[in-house]
Amino acid sequence: AQSVAQPEDQVNVAEGNPLTVKCTYSVSGNPYLFWYVQYPNRGLQFLLKYITGDNLVKGSYGFEAEFNKSQTSFHLKKPSALVSDSALYFCAVRGTSGTYKYIFGTGTRLKVLA
Amino acid sequence: DAGVIQSPRHEVTEMGQEVTLRCKPISGHDYLFWYRQTMMRGLELLIYFNNNVPIDDSGMPEDRFSAKMPNASFSTLKIQPSEPRDSAVYFCASSSEGYFYNSPLHFGNGTRLTVT
Repeated sequence: AQSVAQPEDQVNVAEGNPLTVKCTYSVSGNPYLFWYVQYPNRGLQFLLKYITGDNLVKGSYGFEAEFNKSQTSFHLKKPSALVSDSALYFCAVRGTSGTYKYIFGTGTRLKVLA
Repeated sequence: DAGVIQSPRHEVTEMGQEVTLRCKPISGHDYLFWYRQTMMRGLELLIYFNNNVPIDDSGMPEDRFSAKMPNASFSTLKIQPSEPRDSAVYFCASSSEGYFYNSPLHFGNGTRLTVT
């Protein structure tokens, strides 16, 4: 069965420092992996995805994510955090076999401190 | 592109009443999803449609919940009768699946349902 784990409920980081939001996954076959961000009172917005190819994926707003097959991880990163990055971040996975179904993690709240 | 449009944004109703949530997907998208978000359970997939046909409704919590997609530009999620535990934010999302099945989901801004 497909699953996604976000081990941290909240991540605090000082503005200007690098940030990492962790995600691990379990899926049959090769994974399609996604990161979404949710701001208050809004729907989720797509940030980036990994399908195949380079393990480092670049996305919107300066975010990037590193795919590690051996560790089944897909951590979200940004070299220099902004206060405006404070939001709820979701990792999602979809396997390449079975039904077309995205499985979302429980979310990690990122708080960037000025 | 107006994005996925959901209505109403907020709904407050009394227990036992019927509630209907509405969604207009992005034009040309052939997949539509209904999700529910709560603090306790996170983001749950309720049901999804492909070309207006329900594909997987295993996430629908009870028979009180039903969803329809009468055409490519409109879907409803109905709860009858509503209960306080149905209070949540309900999201609609749509996607245009290409050959590689890796398109992201586009979410609406949700309907916040409160059942008293």
